[in-house]
Amino acid sequence: DQQVKQNSPSLSVQEGRISILNCDYTNSMFDYFLWYKKYPAEGPTFLISISSIKDKNEDGRFTVFLNKSAKHLSLHIVPSQPGDSAVYFCAASPAGEYGNKLVFGAGTILRVKS
Amino acid sequence: NAGVTQTPKFQVLKTGQSMTLQCAQDMNHNSMYWYRQDPGMGLRLIYYSASEGTTDKGEVPNGYNVSRLNKREFSLRLESAAPSQTSVYFCASSEGQGGEKLFFGSGTQLSVL
Repeated sequence: DQQVKQNSPSLSVQEGRISILNCDYTNSMFDYFLWYKKYPAEGPTFLISISSIKDKNEDGRFTVFLNKSAKHLSLHIVPSQPGDSAVYFCAASPAGEYGNKLVFGAGTILRVKS
Repeated sequence: NAGVTQTPKFQVLKTGQSMTLQCAQDMNHNSMYWYRQDPGMGLRLIYYSASEGTTDKGEVPNGYNVSRLNKREFSLRLESAAPSQTSVYFCASSEGQGGEKLFFGSGTQLSVL
């Protein structure tokens, strides 16, 4: 049973518009959430994180929203740029746990069209 | 600063052959990990090493062995490769303090025929 689900395998967005990537989780013990970005032939790189004491975290064009009651988080990219085209992985773990407790979603391929 | 370095980048094996994937990090991290990525499955943890001298199984350890050679290096060995082990393998490291982010290598594309 997948504890972290990214139900949209792919998303296509026009340059300059907003990209919204969604992630659902089932484990109520998850308290810490991360988004990773992966380009072809490269490893995933950390993008942004949020802990359960917050419902929003911003870093430049990237904002992550957390809805604990719905067990749902989303990543907003505004404005989207062609260089944002990549695979985005959502990940979750219990707070304070080591990396071995991190659970990844299957990823969403984002294509930003110019 | 190289970060996490994996070798080789590509490998083709025949069923039954063995090989070792090498990984080294230069960030003085305590913890290291091996993941595999398969289509529709995300990243799944094979083995990890919380600190030098320790190794533990992850979600999908069958068919693999690991060695934490020193603080920098963590290798993954396939003793008798099977087609089901065709995948992209990523090594990662982290500080090992808890609640941290992982730093990944660029991956090894492995095909087992």
